Amino acid sequence: ETGVTQTPRHLVMGMTNKKSLKCEQHLGHNAMYWYKQSAKKPLELMFVYNFKEQTENNSVPSRFSPECPNSSHLFLHLHTLQPEDSALYLCASSQQATNEKLFFGSGTQLSVL
Amino acid sequence: AQTVTQSQPEMSVQEAETVTLSCTYDTSENNYYLFWYKQPPSRQMILVIRQEAYKQQNATENRFSVNFQKAAKSFSLKISDSQLGDTAMYFCAFMKHDSGGSNYKLTFGKGTLLTVNP
Repeated sequence: ETGVTQTPRHLVMGMTNKKSLKCEQHLGHNAMYWYKQSAKKPLELMFVYNFKEQTENNSVPSRFSPECPNSSHLFLHLHTLQPEDSALYLCASSQQATNEKLFFGSGTQLSVL
Repeated sequence: AQTVTQSQPEMSVQEAETVTLSCTYDTSENNYYLFWYKQPPSRQMILVIRQEAYKQQNATENRFSVNFQKAAKSFSLKISDSQLGDTAMYFCAFMKHDSGGSNYKLTFGKGTLLTVNP
């Protein structure tokens, strides 16, 4: 039990497909995050949700659409992606967005063909 | 903007020996946190050790310790008695409050791939 569960573990999609990534945390946390990890680049923060409200959008293209229906679940909806969007997408959670201890999931490895 | 630099893309060490991973950062902030995260092949990012900038004492967690030099903006990780399970990518990270004070923002380095050889 890792505390933060991400599905699917791997995803291959075409540029015209629509797919969603799911993250669920069982830690009772109130803040959730999406990070993008590309090869040879530092992790990049994409979105932050605190008590279900989006508090950060780090200039992410609109083809990535986050959704946070409750404090335990976070989705990333994908549509008309580009090959350069291929990366590992990591979800994380913390007690609140002002808490510095983040707990990460194992990520979804996304390949866009 | 903060930057975090890990100058060693790859390192290797023999089992049971000691290895030090380097990290430098650039910031004008006075209050912040520094972290080392480990990412094994399972891909889950795991917090190894954490240091508050206002604390002069170096953080330690079992076999893991840091050398925090605030004036030099240096934050190295020492792994003692290396074990095969320590093989992973290690990321140095910096965190501060954003200007609005609503979020902590985590900035990562590019990582160092550590291989522990038997």
